[in-house]
Amino acid sequence: KQEVTQIPAALSVPEGENLVLNCSFTDSAIYNLQWFRQDPGKGLTSLLLIQSSQREQTSGRLNASLDKSSGRSTLYIAASQPGDSATYLCAVIMRFNKFYFGSGTKLNVKP
Amino acid sequence: EAQVTQNPRYLITVTGKKLTVTCSQNMNHEYMSWYRQDPGLGLRQIYYSMNVEVTDKGDVPEGYKVSRKEKRNFPLILESPSPNQTSLYFCASSPLPLGRGFFGPGTRLTVL
Repeated sequence: KQEVTQIPAALSVPEGENLVLNCSFTDSAIYNLQWFRQDPGKGLTSLLLIQSSQREQTSGRLNASLDKSSGRSTLYIAASQPGDSATYLCAVIMRFNKFYFGSGTKLNVKP
Repeated sequence: EAQVTQNPRYLITVTGKKLTVTCSQNMNHEYMSWYRQDPGLGLRQIYYSMNVEVTDKGDVPEGYKVSRKEKRNFPLILESPSPNQTSLYFCASSPLPLGRGFFGPGTRLTVL
C-alpha cells in the first residue's frame, strides 16, 4: 500500500524567505503527483500537477520537482509572503486512479 | 464559475439515522471522489467514480455507499452512521486522463 510522508509537519519562516517542502512516497509506480493548498475551513486548491514522465512544473513563485525513482517530490516557494500561510498537501495518484495524500505541512509566513 | 458544491456544509446527527451528503460539479468531469479528513490521519479516499454507473472503493469504504446516476452528481450515503464516522468530508472532481483536482468546500459531520 502506498504511504506518503511530508516533512516537516510545520514550518514558520519570516517573510521573503525561500523554502522547500518535502514529500516522499513508498511505491514509485505513480501516475502523477499533485500539490494542494488547504486554507482553514476551506477545501483544497490544486497548485501544481506533475505527470510521472515529468521532472518539474512551475507556476509563478512555485516550483515542484519529482524524482520518481527515489520516491520524492519537493515544493519550492520563492520569496514567501504572509498570504502563503496555509497547509500544503502532497497527493500521489496510482493506477486505477486512487489518490493517496500526505498529512501535510502547515506553513506560517511571518510579516 | 467552475466549482464543486457540497451540501450540507455542517451536519450533526445521531447514530443510526441514515443521511446523504450531496456533491455536484459543473465542469463535466468524468472522475469524482469522496475523502474524509481526520487529525493525524490526513485525507483518505472513500470511493471514486470514473463515469456514470462506474464506482469503486478507495481506502476506507466501510460504512459508506455512493451512486453515480448522473455525470454531475456523486452523493455519499451513510446508511447507519456511527460516531467513528465523525469527520470532515470532501468531494472532488477531475477530468480524465486524471488532471488537476477540484475540491468542494467540505462537510463537517458529527455523529452523536
